Amino acid sequence: DTGVSQNPRHKITKRGQNVTFRCDPISEHNRLYWYRQTLGQGPEFLTYFQNEAQLEKSRLLSDRFSAERPKGSFSTLEIQRTEQGDSAMYLCASSFQGDGYTFGSGTRLTVV
Amino acid sequence: GEDVEQSLFLSVREGDSSVINCTYTDSSSTYLYWYKQEPGAGLQLLTYIFSNMDMKQDQRLTVLLNKKDKHLSLRIADTQTGDSAIYFCARMTTDSWGKLQFGAGTQVVVTP
Repeated sequence: DTGVSQNPRHKITKRGQNVTFRCDPISEHNRLYWYRQTLGQGPEFLTYFQNEAQLEKSRLLSDRFSAERPKGSFSTLEIQRTEQGDSAMYLCASSFQGDGYTFGSGTRLTVV
Repeated sequence: GEDVEQSLFLSVREGDSSVINCTYTDSSSTYLYWYKQEPGAGLQLLTYIFSNMDMKQDQRLTVLLNKKDKHLSLRIADTQTGDSAIYFCARMTTDSWGKLQFGAGTQVVVTP
C-alpha cells in the first residue's frame, strides 16, 4: 500500500466551473476525512466518512460542496460553480477507528 | 477565536535546539499531535502524545505537555537545515470521531 493517494495534484479552473477531486485511502482504513488548507493557515475540517456513511459536515461545507464515498473505499469531493475563495489545498486523510491517521499530498485548486 | 494557537515564526541556527509552542483551550483533548509540512507537500506526522502523559521522546524530538496550563511544546535537538518547514500542532477529542483541529502553524527557518 502506498498510503493515501489524491488526484489530481493540481487543478486550475475558471470561476463558475465544477471540479471533482478523488481520494484513495489506505485500503484497510474505515474512516476518511477531507480538510481544506488556505495559505498561511492550518487545515480545517470539512467532512468525515465512516465506511460509506457521511457522519459529519462542517459549516464550511456550503451547498456547492458535495462529498461521496459510495462503496466505502475511495471518495470524491465536488465543488460546483467554483469561486475564487475556493482556491486552497484540499487534503484527504484516512484512519482505522482514529488510529494510523495518514494524510495524502493534497490537491491544490486555483480558481481564476 | 482559535482553539489551538501557535507562534507564527521561529528562526534557529543549525545545531541549536528549536522549541515550538502551542496552547489550546479545550481540556477535553485526548491526543495532541505535531505535524511537519514542507513547501507544496502534505502533512507528515512527527509525533503525538496522549493527554495522560507529560512527556514523550522520540530520537531528536521531545514533546512536553502541561495539562494545567494547556500548553504543548515540541523540542527539536540539533536542528538541521532539513528541519526548515511549517510545524502544526493539532488536537483530537473523544467526541470528534477522529476530527483534528489544527493551529495556524509555526514556520521554522534554520540558518547555517
